[in-house]
Amino acid sequence: GESVGLHLPTLSVQEGDNSIINCAYSNSASDYFIWYKQESGKGPQFIIDIRSNMDKRQGQRVTVLLNKTVKHLSLQIAATQPGDSAVYFCAEIKSGYSTLTFGKGTMLLVSP
Amino acid sequence: DGGITQSPKYLFRKEGQNVTLSCEQNLNHDAMYWYRQDPGQGLRLIYYSQIVNDFQKGDIAEGYSVSREKKESFPLTVTSAQKNPTAFYLCASSRDSSYNEQFFGPGTRLTVL
Repeated sequence: GESVGLHLPTLSVQEGDNSIINCAYSNSASDYFIWYKQESGKGPQFIIDIRSNMDKRQGQRVTVLLNKTVKHLSLQIAATQPGDSAVYFCAEIKSGYSTLTFGKGTMLLVSP
Repeated sequence: DGGITQSPKYLFRKEGQNVTLSCEQNLNHDAMYWYRQDPGQGLRLIYYSQIVNDFQKGDIAEGYSVSREKKESFPLTVTSAQKNPTAFYLCASSRDSSYNEQFFGPGTRLTVL
């Protein structure tokens, strides 16, 4: 079936670097996307979302980019900190549906 | 504090026993969801409820049951029919089913011995 997937299962960066986490989605009817952060043993936390009528959205230290042409979503984290170490999931929702489909996640490891 | 609570955090059960996981929210949200997460995997939807006294099956509902008798509560029962119940279970809620941002509880780790 259709799914949301990620290019890199693990990303290791140095503190202070910028991080980019990628996500490919296969459903062109999806119109809403969310990035979640999950620390070990905890529930996911909302980071940022974007609707399909946008191609970029910025938050505090985070930017989400949406390229509908190639069905690609990315999360950019500026000046990555050790506290950013976690698993990051992208999730999509199809137009007319009320449930999210999650990707498998990318582990971000930030070393001091 | 407003939020979603799940209890207990860790749960152990013998094979063949039913077990009920609690999920409560005081956010006044209409919609609630149950997900299962296996190690190194994403979240898979078990059941969801858009309003009190109504719920729908998700992608992996077999071996699970739910009820939604109160707006703030959405308990999940893992039955003996669930072939591989050991997992991390996450409950979430959203304002309503058209407002997609879901807020998650801390999770319950269920181990069946």
